[in-house]
Amino acid sequence: DQQVKQNSPSLSVQEGRISILNCDYTNSMFDYFLWYKKYPAEGPTFLISISSIKDKNEDGRFTVFLNKSAKHLSLHIVPSQPGDSAVYFCAASEYNFNKFYFGSGTKLNVKP
Amino acid sequence: GAVVSQHPSRVICKSGTSVKIECRSLDFQATTMFWYRQFPKQSLMLMATSNEGSKATYEQGVEKDKFLINHASLTLSTLTVTSAHPEDSSFYICSARPAGGADTQYFGPGTRLTVL
Repeated sequence: DQQVKQNSPSLSVQEGRISILNCDYTNSMFDYFLWYKKYPAEGPTFLISISSIKDKNEDGRFTVFLNKSAKHLSLHIVPSQPGDSAVYFCAASEYNFNKFYFGSGTKLNVKP
Repeated sequence: GAVVSQHPSRVICKSGTSVKIECRSLDFQATTMFWYRQFPKQSLMLMATSNEGSKATYEQGVEKDKFLINHASLTLSTLTVTSAHPEDSSFYICSARPAGGADTQYFGPGTRLTVL
C-alpha cells in the first residue's frame, strides 16, 4: 500500500520556466516531508523539507508547499535549469522520524 | 556535507552465492542506518533499520535470514544477501542518520546487484 504517491512519472520543462512536482500522501500522521533529488547511479541527495506546522518553505530557487487538508505537497523550482534534470522523490515521516516513506519519483527534464 | 559510501558499486554473482554490501558514514557517526531496495521505476522500499550494537528491525515481507544486516560500529553497516537468486537483482541503497540529527538521512550511492 503506497502511502506516498507521485502520480507523474515524468515532467518536461523549458529552461527558465517553473517546474512543479506534485506529491500526495494518505497517512494523516505524517508530520515531516522531504524532497530528494537523484541522478542516475547515485544515491538521493536531500533538497528541502517542511514540517506540518508550516505551509511553505523556501530555499533559493526551491519552494515546497504543503496543503495538509488535501494531503498534498508540491515542489516548485524557479527558474528551472538544465542541471535540475534528475529524478525527484518526495518522502514523508511521522514525528518520530523512525521511518521514511518514499514516492515513486518524478523524472524532470529541463530543456535548454 | 555528510558523505555516505557504499561498496561495491556494482556486483555480478552466480545464483546461490552470497554477496556482502558495505555502507559507511565517512565524516559522521550514524546511530541508525537504513537499507532500501529500488526496483526500476519504483520508489525506494525500506528493507530494514539497523541500530549500532543491536539487531536490525526488518520490514514486513523482508526475510531476515536472507538479508543479513550487521551494524558493528557507528560508521559501518553491512547487508549480506545470502544464497542470492535472480529475483534478488536490484539496486540496494543505504542511508545513515547522524547521531543527534533525527530529521534527515544521508544516502549512499547505491549498489547494483545482478544475480545470474
